[in-house]
Order: sequence, then structure tokens, then C-alpha cells
Amino acid sequence: QKEVEQNSGPLSVPEGAIASLNCTYSDRGSQSFFWYRQYSGKSPELIMSIYSNGDKEDGRFTAQLNKASQYVSLLIRDSQPSDSATYLCAVTGQAGTALIFGKGTTLSVSS
Amino acid sequence: DGGITQSPKYLFRKEGQNVTLSCEQNLNHDAMYWYRQDPGQGLRLIYYSQIVNDFQKGDIAEGYSVSREKKESFPLTVTSAQKNPTAFYLCASSPLGGLDSPLHFGNGTRLTVT
Repeated sequence: QKEVEQNSGPLSVPEGAIASLNCTYSDRGSQSFFWYRQYSGKSPELIMSIYSNGDKEDGRFTAQLNKASQYVSLLIRDSQPSDSATYLCAVTGQAGTALIFGKGTTLSVSS
Repeated sequence: DGGITQSPKYLFRKEGQNVTLSCEQNLNHDAMYWYRQDPGQGLRLIYYSQIVNDFQKGDIAEGYSVSREKKESFPLTVTSAQKNPTAFYLCASSPLGGLDSPLHFGNGTRLTVT
């Protein structure tokens, strides 16, 4: 059974700090990795995708991928109260199977 | 505006009744998916379809059925055989038919069965 693991949190950070969200996955052949943000009662929205080892930056968000360690992370710089949400990590399998989601990490940013 | 429309937003049914959730997309995406989300849980795949008239079971297909007669539509029927149907149901689509493409989600249908 392919698995995607996330710390459920809540992760609490003060406004302006860096929030670090982590995700590990079990399928060594996974090729595509995504981070989704989900506000309470709403559907997930894509915020980052990453396909190769290293860092990918988009505004205040940086995704980091280390395939050797089977680890993907999301950094949120200058965290804002509006960033308070659940962040879902999603991973595909080697054979192009449908996305597998982790249970999500709840982030709380206090002003 | 292009997007995915799920209806209704809230749905209430009595135990033992079948219910169909609607999902329509005008993004011209090949692949469509149904996920279920329970409180404190991630998304679990029910069914997916990469092409019209073809679909595959996901991890929790028991008690559910789907059809894909048109590219734009992928309705989900929750049957009376589904033991715990109360949940938040999310429909999604992706371009290119590739299962490694990012998903675009509808707004979801919250189903309550009593």
C-alpha cells in the first residue's frame, strides 16, 4: 500500500515567521509531487508542484524535494493569518497511478 | 469561466436510498476523479476515468458506481451498499489524461445520510 505521511499538527507559527511543512512517501518510484491548501469546509487548491530534486520557489512558497530520502517539504515565508489552513501533500506512483494524498497538516498563523 | 461544477452543495438522504452526485467540467480535461474526505482525513480515491466510457476503481470503490458517457460529465452514485456514506465528496479533473498532472477540484458536495 503506497503511503504519504504528514504530521497532522497543528503547526502554530507567529505572523511573519517561516512555516515548514513536511511530507514523506513510500513509493520510491514516485515522479510528481504537489502541495494543496485547503481552507475549512472548502475544496483543495493547488499551490505548488515539483518534479525534480531541489528547490522550487513561487512567491512566498518554496517546495523542496529529495527523492533519495523520499521527502518533500513546503516552506512558507513571512507567514500571514490568511495562510492558516490545512496543507495536503499529494504524490503519484511510478506507474502513473492517480494521486495519493496525505492526511494534511493544519497550520495556524497567529497575528 | 472554466471550471468544475458539483451539485448540490449539500445533500441529505435517508439510509437505504441511492443518491447521485453531479460533476460537470468545461475545462476540456480528459481525466476526471472522485475523492472522498472524512474529518481529519486525507482524500481517498473512489473512481477515476481517463477517457469516455472507461473508468477504474480507486482504493474505496465498494458501494459506489460511476459513468462517463460524456467527456464533460462524471456522476457518482452512492448506493445503499456503502456502509458509511456521510462524507465530503470532491470531484476533480486533470488535463492531458495524465495521472501525474495536477488536479483541479470542484467545490464539493457534503452528503449526510441518516
